Amino acid sequence: GIQVEQSPPDLILQEGANSTLRCNFSDSVNNLQWFHQNPWGQLINLFYIPSGTKQNGRLSATTVATERYSLLYISSSQTTDSGVYFCAVIIVGGSNYKLTFGKGTLLTVNP
Amino acid sequence: ETGVTQTPRHLVMGMTNKKSLKCEQHLGHNAMYWYKQSAKKPLELMFVYSLEERVENNSVPSRFSPECPNSSHLFLHLHTLQPEDSALYLCASSQDPGLAGEETQYFGPGTRLLVL
Repeated sequence: GIQVEQSPPDLILQEGANSTLRCNFSDSVNNLQWFHQNPWGQLINLFYIPSGTKQNGRLSATTVATERYSLLYISSSQTTDSGVYFCAVIIVGGSNYKLTFGKGTLLTVNP
Repeated sequence: ETGVTQTPRHLVMGMTNKKSLKCEQHLGHNAMYWYKQSAKKPLELMFVYSLEERVENNSVPSRFSPECPNSSHLFLHLHTLQPEDSALYLCASSQDPGLAGEETQYFGPGTRLLVL
């Protein structure tokens, strides 16, 4: 099956710093999602981004589908950005629907 | 209440028990999902329901049995589980199943399950 690899596995930042998280995938996909899971376990959908760039406040994401990777940018990080960031890829074929997650990047933002 | 709620928040059960997890969404969505998050494996999508019909079952063992009586409620019935089934079970909903589309999923807080 498709492989989804995220890097780095862990990242520690000082508040105010910028960061880039990466998601590589091994095959063509129909869509890609970024999620944030806060330290209390709440999971939030950040972006659907099969290709191109999207921005939402201090977060932006870029997917280069032809090269099979996606990047999540966090600018001016805040302590509330701490948590695990997951990417997940979606492959749809006929009646089949497959969603595969990466293992996540654990981000810690220190005050 | 608003959003997606899950009960119970924590559950401890023996391998011979039968229990059910409940998810309720107050968002008027048509699609609901069960996910499993265990310590040693990536997040897994277990089931997808759209308008109370199961759309996807990602090869989940039969000891997990979902039920979607209406578009607002989703259950996960558990029986004869194994210790390795201990995990955080997350429910989500979206307006439509979306599949490859752009439907934002809204997640509940999860049920943390421990199987002894």
